[in-house]
Amino acid sequence: DQQVKQNSPSLSVQEGRISILNCDYTNSMFDYFLWYKKYPAEGPTFLISISSIKDKNEDGRFTVFLNKSAKHLSLHIVPSQPGDSAVYFCAASASGNTGKLIFGQGTTLQVKP
Amino acid sequence: DAGVTQSPTHLIKTRGQQVTLRCSPISGHKSVSWYQQVLGQGPQFIFQYYEKEERGRGNFPDRFSARQFPNYSSELNVNALLLGDSALYLCASSLAQEQYFGPGTRLTVT
Repeated sequence: DQQVKQNSPSLSVQEGRISILNCDYTNSMFDYFLWYKKYPAEGPTFLISISSIKDKNEDGRFTVFLNKSAKHLSLHIVPSQPGDSAVYFCAASASGNTGKLIFGQGTTLQVKP
Repeated sequence: DAGVTQSPTHLIKTRGQQVTLRCSPISGHKSVSWYQQVLGQGPQFIFQYYEKEERGRGNFPDRFSARQFPNYSSELNVNALLLGDSALYLCASSLAQEQYFGPGTRLTVT
């Protein structure tokens, strides 16, 4: 049972435009959500996170939106840059079990110059 | 500051052998988690250790074991290797809810 799902395996956007990556979850116990970026042959790099008490968190070009009723979160990158091309993973954890992250399958983002 | 370090970077083993992977967390981080990532999937949780005690275990067989040392570094041990154990093994350390990952150890079982 996939508790965290990223239904789009890939996304291609033009440099300067907005990239929107989506993630859905099924477990109501999840209360903390994170986005990671991964380049080949490297470990995942933490990007941004959001607690379930918020519906938006912003850090520079990255904004994460959380819709608890829909069990959906999204990562917006604006403006997109070629260096943003990577695999993006969303992950979730539940309070009392914060050491266990449940990851989605990943979305490969390609930003074209 | 040094990030999470893992050794070795790459490893090739034969079926039935045993392997030990090592991880050093970010200085000051007391929690270490281990993940397995196979191609095309997200990382899957194997273990979490905090202050040398196991705090969580994922859905992996007993062939997988781990431990954490007084300096918070950690080892992941896999016995009786199977072809399906070929994967990238990731270690992450944390102080709060954000986990920071090392570069991983690529294990190939032949």
